Amino acid sequence: AQSVTQLGSHVSVSEGALVLLRCNYSSSVPPYLFWYVQYPNQGLQLLLKYTSAATLVKGINGFEAEFKKSETSFHLTKPSAHMSDAAEYFCAVRPGGRALTFGSGTRLQVQP
Amino acid sequence: EAGVTQFPSHSVIEKGQTVTLRCDPISGHDNLYWYRRVMGKEIKFLLHFVKESKQDESGMPNNRFLAERTGGTYSTLKVQPAELEDSGVYFCASSQQSAGGTDGYTFGSGTRLTVV
Repeated sequence: AQSVTQLGSHVSVSEGALVLLRCNYSSSVPPYLFWYVQYPNQGLQLLLKYTSAATLVKGINGFEAEFKKSETSFHLTKPSAHMSDAAEYFCAVRPGGRALTFGSGTRLQVQP
Repeated sequence: EAGVTQFPSHSVIEKGQTVTLRCDPISGHDNLYWYRRVMGKEIKFLLHFVKESKQDESGMPNNRFLAERTGGTYSTLKVQPAELEDSGVYFCASSQQSAGGTDGYTFGSGTRLTVV
């Protein structure tokens, strides 16, 4: 079964620093991949998605992710962290014909 | 457009009681999904409706959970009787395309269920 693994349950960065949240997928065929964010007391919000078009995907709030087939990775990045980026981030895969499968989540903390 | 609405936002019940969660999807979205996150663990799939039909209920944990979507509009998820391990956040999501599509789902804010 297709799945995703998120390395690091907690990541802490300084305001203005690079944000890098890691996600690796297991799949024999290129899957559809997603990043979601959950702010406190809110639902999950779609940040961006990869659907086999461009390998570098740009999302909302300055985030982007690059699909690397050779590394089976779909890491999420943002050049400069803001305090408002503090949230929990989820990588997800959509196996063919099945519903979204989520990773375990990474909580991002941004230090002033 | 209105988003996915879930209520109640919080529910505290005693073990053995019954609780019913409700989800109103985005109007026109045929696909409705239920997910659950228990104690900070992974967000787990429960089931998927296409209109009023259960397309996939492979994630339902046991027969104490009953989901319905009469008329293909809103959905309810009933837990009867509730157990301590049912505590968690229950998310509902909807989408236009089927599970094989590429659109992301729109999620509700979730219902936080606490069984004491």
